Amino acid sequence: QVQLQESGPGLVKPSQTLSLTCTVSGGSISSGDYYWSWIRQPPGKGLEWIGYIYYSGSTYYNPSLKSRVTISVDTSKNQFSLKLSSVTAADTAVYYCARVSEMSGYYFDYWGQGTLVTVSS
Amino acid sequence: EIVMTQSPATLSVSPGERATLSCRASQSVSSNLAWYQQKPGQAPRLLIYGASTRATGIPARFSGSGSGTEFTLTISSLQSEDFAVYYCQQYNNWSSITFGQGTRLEIK
Repeated sequence: QVQLQESGPGLVKPSQTLSLTCTVSGGSISSGDYYWSWIRQPPGKGLEWIGYIYYSGSTYYNPSLKSRVTISVDTSKNQFSLKLSSVTAADTAVYYCARVSEMSGYYFDYWGQGTLVTVSS
Repeated sequence: EIVMTQSPATLSVSPGERATLSCRASQSVSSNLAWYQQKPGQAPRLLIYGASTRATGIPARFSGSGSGTEFTLTISSLQSEDFAVYYCQQYNNWSSITFGQGTRLEIK
């Protein structure tokens, strides 16, 4: 059973860079069958896709966030990471990592439990 | 960007009754549509993909239908654990994934 676990600071100051890591267990990021994704949810609001990465390093980002987002992968640690620069209060959200099946469709079949990141001075 | 619109925003239904949730796409997404259930404090859970295929372990009372721009999630005979928020997601444009704004299913 695949499990994903987010980690990183829960508080980030405005204008700084938000950094999170997702550790995958129960399966290899390098298997090649999946993309690995970040999704966020502001408190009391809906879901917003941030982007995803393939084990080779290929990335796709939400056009609305593309200028501030970097997703990277570390196959040796079975982890992938998110960096979001120049954050504001609008970036306060629960951030989820999730798995996407490339073969059967780009839906999210396994999710981490999420981590709340608050942007505040 | 493909805009996904869910209706109604809130649906009040009694336990044991049927619930019908709608999702409309601003342009055709073929059958590339998924549904998720989210309970308070939890991550979303995949229910349906391919518009009508139940994910592993999802009870048969959950069913999805539709194609193109109009989709429906039906929950027959609502159980207490089904009261939650439901989201649809299109992946026809897989380089720009979008979600609906959600439908809250509450106990009547």
